[in-house]
Order: sequence, then structure tokens, then C-alpha cells
Amino acid sequence: DTGVSQNPRHKITKRGQNVTFRCDPISEHNRLYWYRQTLGQGPEFLTYFQNEAQLEKSRLLSDRFSAERPKGSFSTLEIQRTEQGDSAMYLCASSFDGQETQYFGPGTRLLVL
Amino acid sequence: GENVEQHPSTLSVQEGDSAVIKCTYSDSASNYFPWYKQELGKRPQLIIDIRSNVGEKKDQRIAVTLNKTAKHFSLHITETQPEDSAVYFCAASKKNRDDKIIFGKGTRLHILP
Repeated sequence: DTGVSQNPRHKITKRGQNVTFRCDPISEHNRLYWYRQTLGQGPEFLTYFQNEAQLEKSRLLSDRFSAERPKGSFSTLEIQRTEQGDSAMYLCASSFDGQETQYFGPGTRLLVL
Repeated sequence: GENVEQHPSTLSVQEGDSAVIKCTYSDSASNYFPWYKQELGKRPQLIIDIRSNVGEKKDQRIAVTLNKTAKHFSLHITETQPEDSAVYFCAASKKNRDDKIIFGKGTRLHILP
């Protein structure tokens, strides 16, 4: 599968723990996006990168959230001191600059107990 | 910021009949409108999209219309089939700016036998 991949696919953690998710975009896609999707809702934009530069962060992204894309390829999303309200599906998408279509990964489903 | 409203939230149609999902957007600067289909437990997949300089686009049984003046756009599925059952999301973005996608809340489409 040469599409967007995400790991892990599922994560169960206890409140207060830190978690980190990884996204590998389609090769040569220079734009990478993170979205969060809760049950019964559409995906909500969190942040995006063009190459290694993080260009925008949503107000949804509290100080406990941090995202990186150090070499302009894969990206990580870390949540510190998780809360039950962080339980959601975290989706990653990538696109090539100049092309509209964003391709989504399978998501990481997070459950905070 | 952009706000996308989508209705209905749930739609049941008899197999073979047509289904219509309607959306509105608030930001007149939005110029790209993708539609995504999401099956249970799977990633959102782009099914059709339309740019603001086009009023209508068709791809086999799926068509999308856009009214820029009214800030309305709609998805039409004809000759519905069981495999069309899924959640459909309309979305809006500002292509060539940040490209982040703002999604509607989704329509759960049930195709009845």
C-alpha cells in the first residue's frame, strides 16, 4: 500500500499519560495535515505542514498538543497529559503543492480511560 | 473562519432512487469543494470535487452542483446501490492558500433494499 499510513492504528491509554502518533505521507507529498474526528462528526483541522514548516495551528490544538515534521517526510503528533476529551480518531492527510486532493490515512483511534 | 453546514444528518432512500445532500458555506473566499465518503471504520475517500469557477460536475452516478452566489452546493447520487451506504461529508477549502479542509458534520446515507 503506497498510500498514507498511520501508526499505531489503535491506542488505549490512561488519563495523564503521554501518547505519540506517527504519519507517513505519500512519497513526495510536501503538504501534511492533521485532523481530529469524534464520533458522529466530520474531521476537524488541527495543523498542517508544508515540507518541515508548520504553517498553521487550529485553536483546537491546546498547549498539550505538539506536532513535528523534522525532515519534511513523516510527522508525529504528541499529546501530553491526555484527558478523556482527547478520545477521538486522529487522521493524517497529505497532498502535493498545487494539487487539491488530500489523501487520508486510516487514522489512529485514541481512547483515554 | 469558514463554517460548513450540511443536511440532512440522516437519509434513507430506496435502492434505485436518487439521494441529494445539501451544504452551505460561509466564507466567500472558499474556492474548492470536495465530497468525501467514509465507510464504517475506514478513512475518508474523495468521491468528487468542484472548483468555484464551475457550476456543475458529473462522474457516472454522482454529480455536484455549486451556487456561488447563494454559497450552496449539493451532491446528487442517482440509481443508488447498497454499496452507496456510508457517511458523506461535504467540505470547503481555499485552494492555493492554506488548503485546510473544513468539513460538514456528515450525512449518514442508508440504501434500503
